Amino acid sequence: TQLLEQSPQFLSIQEGENLTVYCNSSSVFSSLQWYRQEPGEGPVLLVTVVTGGEVKKLKRLTFQFGDARKDSSLHITAAQPGDTGLYLCAGYRINDYKLSFGAGTTVTVRA
Amino acid sequence: EAGVTQFPSHSVIEKGQTVTLRCDPISGHDNLYWYRRVMGKEIKFLLHFVKESKQDESGMPNNRFLAERTGGTYSTLKVQPAELEDSGVYFCASSQQGKNTEAFFGQGTRLTVV
Repeated sequence: TQLLEQSPQFLSIQEGENLTVYCNSSSVFSSLQWYRQEPGEGPVLLVTVVTGGEVKKLKRLTFQFGDARKDSSLHITAAQPGDTGLYLCAGYRINDYKLSFGAGTTVTVRA
Repeated sequence: EAGVTQFPSHSVIEKGQTVTLRCDPISGHDNLYWYRRVMGKEIKFLLHFVKESKQDESGMPNNRFLAERTGGTYSTLKVQPAELEDSGVYFCASSQQGKNTEAFFGQGTRLTVV
């Protein structure tokens, strides 16, 4: 079983629609991170959330960390074709120096 | 400033051969990580260096994998002998000293064992 369960695995929407990606775990994390990965490239960090209940906004992207620091969500408002990509959640568990990754969500935004 | 660079970007080898992957971290980053993504699976941790010391190698699949980080600079990951199940994308990441610091990833090396 994966430490971080990410859902959905695939998401295809029309330009202008909203979408939400979820990242859930039974473990507590000191921080959770969201990455975006393009084909042939490595993951690029979008945001880090560290406080339970924290909400961070990055233009049309909203990231939330659960109160218990076991889950997170990524919400994209009015998605654009440029938002197409692989979104990964990852986190550092308490007293752990390595990142644990979810399997990723492939988002496709159709023009 | 250069980011994390990995070489080669692609490698196709036959089962039983040896392959060495290289990672040059961002200058000054003490932490260096190797991760691997096998087709259809999540990115998984392989090992962690702090400077030249192996801090955690709990993710290394077996003794066919050997990682080194000479002088605390670049790192190599050697697979000998390679097996079919070693195919995947190998990522290197580096971060500054300390916990939970931002990890910067290289573009990855796609290894195909045939």
